Amino acid sequence: EVQLLESGGGLVQPGGSLRLSCAASGFTFSNYAMSWVRQAPGKGLEWVSGISGSASSTYYADSVKGRFTISRDKSKNTVYLQMNSLSAEDTALYYCARGINGYNYIVFDFWGQGTLVTVSS
Amino acid sequence: QSVLTQPPSASGTPGQRVTISCSGSSSNIGDNPVNWYQHLPGTAPKLLIYGLNQRPSGVPDRFSGSKSGTSASLAISGLQSEDETDYYCATWDDSLNAPVFGGGTKLTVL
Repeated sequence: EVQLLESGGGLVQPGGSLRLSCAASGFTFSNYAMSWVRQAPGKGLEWVSGISGSASSTYYADSVKGRFTISRDKSKNTVYLQMNSLSAEDTALYYCARGINGYNYIVFDFWGQGTLVTVSS
Repeated sequence: QSVLTQPPSASGTPGQRVTISCSGSSSNIGDNPVNWYQHLPGTAPKLLIYGLNQRPSGVPDRFSGSKSGTSASLAISGLQSEDETDYYCATWDDSLNAPVFGGGTKLTVL
């Protein structure tokens, strides 16, 4: 059974940093691209970042480029999102999502339940 | 402001057929397949339609997708109360070199 379990969310002050983790199980991790998608309160879904199955390619939304870094550890079957210089606009529920193959960043067949990030003083 | 435009709301009665539109441009819908997600806020989104109107295993054939030019539509036939939730279109944008989502449509079953 495919499972994606996010962790690392919490309350952080503006300008602060946070690292999200997504532990994957039930499939061959390196065969699939992984992405982070967020939903701010009262807003729609927004794709944040994606990484290929081989980790050779990474992509970012303009809104987070230069502040967020996505990475993956195949030995731990985990994908990470390092978030720096956080602002209130980054407050959202962050979902981890699996692409349908090693290089797909828009068709997500499995999602986690999300981890909440709140940026506030 | 989302790159893809969806109506904020839609409604229908049980058994009815409803459609949800998604409007984009030549750099996204005009050049790439459109995918659709069903999402109850606070829970994991669910893939409904991807590629050329393909449905993942377990998605009933009441759900179908179509595309014409720079617009796409999700059709739901035989509307059921359980269909009352949010729906999002999504595709790749060649100009942004990134995926984009629509703003979402809240479907109400009257």
